Amino acid sequence: EAGVAQSPRYKIIEKRQSVAFWCNPISGHATLYWYQQILGQGPKLLIQFQNNGVVDDSQLPKDRFSAERLKGVDSTLKIQPAKLEDSAVYLCASSFGLRFPKSPQYFGPGTRLLVL
Amino acid sequence: SQQGEEDPQALSIQEGENATMNCSYKTSINNLQWYRQNSGRGLVHLILIRSNEREKHSGRLRVTLDTSKKSSSLLITASRAADTASYFCATDGIQGAQKLVFGQGTRLTINP
Repeated sequence: EAGVAQSPRYKIIEKRQSVAFWCNPISGHATLYWYQQILGQGPKLLIQFQNNGVVDDSQLPKDRFSAERLKGVDSTLKIQPAKLEDSAVYLCASSFGLRFPKSPQYFGPGTRLLVL
Repeated sequence: SQQGEEDPQALSIQEGENATMNCSYKTSINNLQWYRQNSGRGLVHLILIRSNEREKHSGRLRVTLDTSKKSSSLLITASRAADTASYFCATDGIQGAQKLVFGQGTRLTINP
């Protein structure tokens, strides 16, 4: 079974530039998550989708971050403009959906972002 | 803010020994999950324990949950070099939205 795919794996940009990350969840998974993981910390949820609708984006810095999940499958996360403190690993995860409360989340390999 | 707090932050043991990691949390939960993260495989789900369960086993893993103390522990028996990784507890709030809140993790090193 194919896992969660993410690209790119690494990205280096200068502050105030824009960057976009892409995620392809496991086929059939209704729920998709984006997390930010700063070095030495646990992942922090940025946004949660159920199909193509947003379930929770309370911790997404909406002045610079945006995310969409076109047709309820792939998702993109964008940062515009980037700040130094956005340097982190951005993880995408998916699960079967809210009707399956014991479903674990399956994580992709992450995109490591460095903002200079 | 992160809900779970793992203890210790770092743990180094000899291969074959048992490793115990603890997690404390602040609010009521629907379930608690443990994940492992290493550079090779990213974050991997290990085990889920529901709020009405007290203990759960999976292979060499044993998880306990004490909701009265808002704490959980993960025991890895007969540790192997491949167990070297960071271990995170994550809580799923009682609202059942499957929104996980992760702790800061325990960095486990198994010495050969």
